[in-house]
Amino acid sequence: EIVLTQSPATLSLSPGERATLSCRASQSINSYLAWYQQKPGQAPRLLIYDTSNRATGIPARFSGSGSGTDFTLTISSLEPEDFAVYYCQQRSNWLTFGGGTQVEI
Amino acid sequence: QVQLQESGPGLVKPSETLSLTCSISGGSISDYYWSWIRQPPGKGLDWIGYIFFSGNTNYNPSLKSRVTISLDTSKNQFSLNLSSVTAADTAVYYCARERWLYGVDVWSRGTTVTVSS
Repeated sequence: EIVLTQSPATLSLSPGERATLSCRASQSINSYLAWYQQKPGQAPRLLIYDTSNRATGIPARFSGSGSGTDFTLTISSLEPEDFAVYYCQQRSNWLTFGGGTQVEI
Repeated sequence: QVQLQESGPGLVKPSETLSLTCSISGGSISDYYWSWIRQPPGKGLDWIGYIFFSGNTNYNPSLKSRVTISLDTSKNQFSLNLSSVTAADTAVYYCARERWLYGVDVWSRGTTVTVSS
């Protein structure tokens, strides 16, 4: 089973700052890594698929990168609505999610 | 625009079977993986399993002995049965659509299921 470890658990930043979220896999995975945003009381929303492709309607300030076992989600300049929990997810034989990073003000 | 809506009881007794159905509207079942994902209170996301439109299934190994996911193409629905539930199965349950390599792009709103006597 591939385990995804996200860091940091909590990221405290201000609007306008850059956020860098990390996701590390326990073994090398193909480029199939996705990122999701979840706000309280809501379902997750797909942000990035296949490591670096933005989903439909996702602003350009969100970008993904990485390969092998190390992946990154970058939010170039935080907007007030970006404060939320972010999950990475891989798809080998089945799906697994990382533990999440909370981006807080 | 595809929408997913779960239905089923919000309270299940310990040792009984949790049963949920997800109704798909506004789109086709074909070419997608249809998943159940849950989120215990205050915790992260836990994938339960999926069924492909062809009927092939795959389950989380930690739940495999208790899970069955089925598909009814005539009704555009898929269902989850989770047997022998305990309090640890209390969670918000989501049904969701995945396209290979394109991520889980459609989610239901989620339904809370509590396991309690």
